Amino acid sequence: DSGVTQTPKHLITATGQRVTLRCSPRSGDLSVYWYQQSLDQGLQFLIHYYNGEERAKGNILERFSAQQFPDLHSELNLSSLELGDSALYFCASSFSSGSLGEQFFGPGTRLTVL
Amino acid sequence: AQKITQTQPGMFVQEKEAVTLDCTYDTSDPSYGLFWYKQPSSGEMIFLIYQGSYDQQNATEGRYSLNFQKARKSANLVISASQLGDSAMYFCAMREGRMDSSYKLIFGSGTRLLVRP
Repeated sequence: DSGVTQTPKHLITATGQRVTLRCSPRSGDLSVYWYQQSLDQGLQFLIHYYNGEERAKGNILERFSAQQFPDLHSELNLSSLELGDSALYFCASSFSSGSLGEQFFGPGTRLTVL
Repeated sequence: AQKITQTQPGMFVQEKEAVTLDCTYDTSDPSYGLFWYKQPSSGEMIFLIYQGSYDQQNATEGRYSLNFQKARKSANLVISASQLGDSAMYFCAMREGRMDSSYKLIFGSGTRLLVRP
């Protein structure tokens, strides 16, 4: 158990809908990263938050947004969902935005868009 | 741009034998970090081992060791005494970014390892 929690574990929804994925980092970790794992794109970095502030953006679609709250949990919002958004979404946490860069991953949320 | 290459989509190994999973990387940054993660069929990503670009010695963690050859830009994972529970997908990743702003991980395409009894 990495100490990172993600809810829900599974999510099935329809095209055009909006969903929210939630992540709680390890106790004491200030950084939260979001990654998407799909069959065709592999594992891709989406976005990084550090202590409530956005620090870096990767291949994140405009239909996707994220935020990190004062209690350090983070939410990834996916809207106007398309079939291609079906994927495993991970969040990962680390103590700082730097250090070794070692990131601890949550169990993931498997999103299925029908 | 930084890049990670894993050329072995799948590998077999006999239980109790050692196996090497290949990883090559490309970066122009003198400071970088390399990671290996294990993803079993249940889906979670498990951190295995880390190697920093300035580390003088190869990293080891239990049955895992990293064969770091800086000049060749390779960071191969060696698993000794394979166990059935080692059957999983293995990802090599490289840290990209700046310590004072953000690190993100760039992942390879992965190698699926199957341990035979």
